[in-house]
Order: sequence, then C-alpha cells, then structure tokens
Amino acid sequence: AQKITQTQPGMFVQEKEAVTLDCTYDTSDPSYGLFWYKQPSSGEMIFLIYQGSYDQQNATEGRYSLNFQKARKSANLVISASQLGDSAMYFCAMREGWTGTYKYIFGTGTRLKVLA
Amino acid sequence: DGGITQSPKYLFRKEGQNVTLSCEQNLNHDAMYWYRQDPGQGLRLIYYSQIVNDFQKGDIAEGYSVSREKKESFPLTVTSAQKNPTAFYLCASSLSKADTQYFGPGTRLTVL
Repeated sequence: AQKITQTQPGMFVQEKEAVTLDCTYDTSDPSYGLFWYKQPSSGEMIFLIYQGSYDQQNATEGRYSLNFQKARKSANLVISASQLGDSAMYFCAMREGWTGTYKYIFGTGTRLKVLA
Repeated sequence: DGGITQSPKYLFRKEGQNVTLSCEQNLNHDAMYWYRQDPGQGLRLIYYSQIVNDFQKGDIAEGYSVSREKKESFPLTVTSAQKNPTAFYLCASSLSKADTQYFGPGTRLTVL
C-alpha cells in the first residue's frame, strides 16, 4: 500500500496567491516525521519544512507552512504569496522511526506552475 | 561553503560498463544516502550508510555497490548487472540517521 500519497500531479496558481499541495500518509508508527522538498528544474532537492508527529503546532518556515491534521493523516504544504520562482516539483516524504533505520519514503510529487 | 557535491553532473555509459558516481560532503554528517529518481516518480533508496565503514542495502540495491571509507565520501558504482541504469541519481546526507536529509545537485546517468 502507498505510504505517501500526493494526488495532484500538477497545479497552477496565480502569482501572489496562496496554494495548497496535498499529502496524505499511512503509518502505524507513533513517532514519525514529515518533510516537504522542492525540486526545481535543475534537479537538486531543497528541504523546505519538517513536522514531527508529536509537534503540537503546525510548522512554519517563512512563506511555507505545513497544515498537519494527524487524525486525517494529512500534511499539506501551504505556500503563501506565490512567486514565479516557486515553480517546481514538490515532494512530500515521511520518516518512520520504529525500524531503527529512519528511512525516508517519498511521494510521487506535485508539479507547481506559478502564472504571472 | 559547506555542502554536498556530486560529480559529474552528466554521465554517459555504454552498456556493459561499470561507472562510479561521486558524492562528497563537508558538513561533518555521519549518515549518507543514495537515491534513484525516474521520470514521474519519487525517490527510491539504493544504499545508505549511517557511519564510516558500514552501509546497508536500500529498496533497490541490485546492480549497485557502494563504499564508505571516509566520512566525507560515499561513492556509488553502477555495475553492468543493473538492467536499466538510465536515471537521475541523488546523494544526501544527514547529521545522524534521525536528522533531516540534505541533498546534492544530482548526476544524470544515460546508458547508450
């Protein structure tokens, strides 16, 4: 079964508007971490934001925030005031800790295009 | 500047040849990882190393080999046994196995 699901293959957003990228996950591990990475056309994966399963508040990093709904097992990325430079692929990832390996599991990504 | 470097950026290989991809980091990270990315897919873990002189297979290790003789370096060899090696390869590192992974710029391998 898919452990990380990103249902939006592609999204468009107008410059300066906010956009939400969806991510749902599946785990029985009580201690896990959720990550979002940005991959521009150059290929490098850029770390954006992290949410721990025990964190009480939603994570925020500048224009990025993570809408963490634990009961729904969702960890959506919200980008406020979109910029043209935000056009890229975005990947959600989960790290489980109970096996002791802390391996990451990645979703298939969402391609975001910001329109001028 | 601290970071992760991968070389070369582009690599072409003939069928039947082994090829080695370089990954170096100067972040003093203990853990290092190799991922493979195919078009339209997420990243899949090939090998990882949580400490020098130790490494473990990931989810798709067949046809690949690694070494970790130095903390800074984690080279990946794509052998002729790898049936479909054309892909984008990303190296990552983290302070420890439980910390956030940071990625290098990647190497795009094409088999001719």
